[in-house]
Amino acid sequence: GEKVEQHESTLSVREGDSAVINCTYTDTASSYFPWYKQEAGKGLHFVIDIRSNVDRKQSQRLIVLLDKKAKRFSLHITATQPEDSAIYFCAASSGGSNYKLTFGKGTLLTVTP
Amino acid sequence: GPKVLQIPSHQIIDMGQMVTLNCDPVSNHLYFYWYKQILGQQMEFLVNFYNGKVMEKSKLFKDQFSVERPDGSYFTLKIQPTALEDSAVYFCASSLWGTNTGQLYFGEGSKLTVL
Repeated sequence: GEKVEQHESTLSVREGDSAVINCTYTDTASSYFPWYKQEAGKGLHFVIDIRSNVDRKQSQRLIVLLDKKAKRFSLHITATQPEDSAIYFCAASSGGSNYKLTFGKGTLLTVTP
Repeated sequence: GPKVLQIPSHQIIDMGQMVTLNCDPVSNHLYFYWYKQILGQQMEFLVNFYNGKVMEKSKLFKDQFSVERPDGSYFTLKIQPTALEDSAVYFCASSLWGTNTGQLYFGEGSKLTVL
């Protein structure tokens, strides 16, 4: 089955700098890649996604890049703010299944003022 | 925005007892999920429930686990009997479409402690 590797377990940046979180996946049939944010003691909240028919998507300060050849995708947060501090999870939905999202292990992002 | 409610938020039980975790999904959603999170990190898929049946489950969804959603009421996860390794935070999620199409909405989690 699909495996998602999230490379950074922790990431610390200064306010205003950019943060980049990288993920890789194994299933070439995977076609949908969402990102979720989890604040302390809370559930996951969707932040942005990308589908396999594009290689870049931007929503305000968030940019997602997808490299299908390398089976790699990344989340770029520009002009970081302290409220961006949270755990970020990448995920992949395999093309063979419409019933399961496989998550990475999460990256704890800390933005210091 | 749409909310998924989970009850209880925290439950402590003795090993071997039965526990039922309840989830009130977003009202018009059709797909329902349970995930298990240990130590605030890895989100492990347990099960998907759609059209009244389990569509996909993982190895973590042991024989002691069961899910149901009788008559559109709560979507429940039952563990009977519980084991020490079942201690975790369990997250319910729901979606209107399947995982290839749209976002999942998660509840705040039910923290289960098995003693």
